[in-house]
Amino acid sequence: GAVVSQHPSRVICKSGTSVKIECRSLDFQATTMFWYRQFPKQSLMLMATSNEGSKATYEQGVEKDKFLINHASLTLSTLTVTSAHPEDSSFYICSATGTRVEQFFGPGTRLTVL
Amino acid sequence: TQLLEQSPQFLSIQEGENLTVYCNSSSVFSSLQWYRQEPGEGPVLLVTVVTGGEVKKLKRLTFQFGDARKDSSLHITAAQPGDTGLYLCAGELSGNTPLVFGKGTRLSVIA
Repeated sequence: GAVVSQHPSRVICKSGTSVKIECRSLDFQATTMFWYRQFPKQSLMLMATSNEGSKATYEQGVEKDKFLINHASLTLSTLTVTSAHPEDSSFYICSATGTRVEQFFGPGTRLTVL
Repeated sequence: TQLLEQSPQFLSIQEGENLTVYCNSSSVFSSLQWYRQEPGEGPVLLVTVVTGGEVKKLKRLTFQFGDARKDSSLHITAAQPGDTGLYLCAGELSGNTPLVFGKGTRLSVIA
């Protein structure tokens, strides 16, 4: 149990376009989902916390108008990178938590902006 | 300042050796989790410890939570090449708050 999926697994886009990444909890209801960004050979950096049906809470330094997060249901959260630029290229990972204390991570999405 | 200090940052050892990874903090955690991440994939949960002094074993991996719930260690016995990866400790300060991650330990086990 406790499986989290992400789609797409990798995406390449042109500078200036928007990219949507989906995060789904497949076998449990995720009251809270988290979005992380990870640079090569580094640990995870929390971008935002989203609770179902409410606005996401963004970490300091993360632009909420650039990284749009929607948590419309207990099994789905989306991250949209708007007007992507090469510096947005990174590995984006979501995690989800429900009634258990642990967070379960998705497999990640590799974004490359040309 | 890093809330959860993880060490060592890099570790390269021969197959069969033992190793210990440490996570230390001045803060008290309600729970602490250990994850292992392979390149291009998301972190996979190894264990959660919640009680001070708790010890959990997962085959050759032994996890310990400090009595004061401020620190934790991961000990691997007789490391194998398949243990290679990034090990992350993550602490939860209180319920439903984001995890606080250590910087990770990149382990390489050479055959």
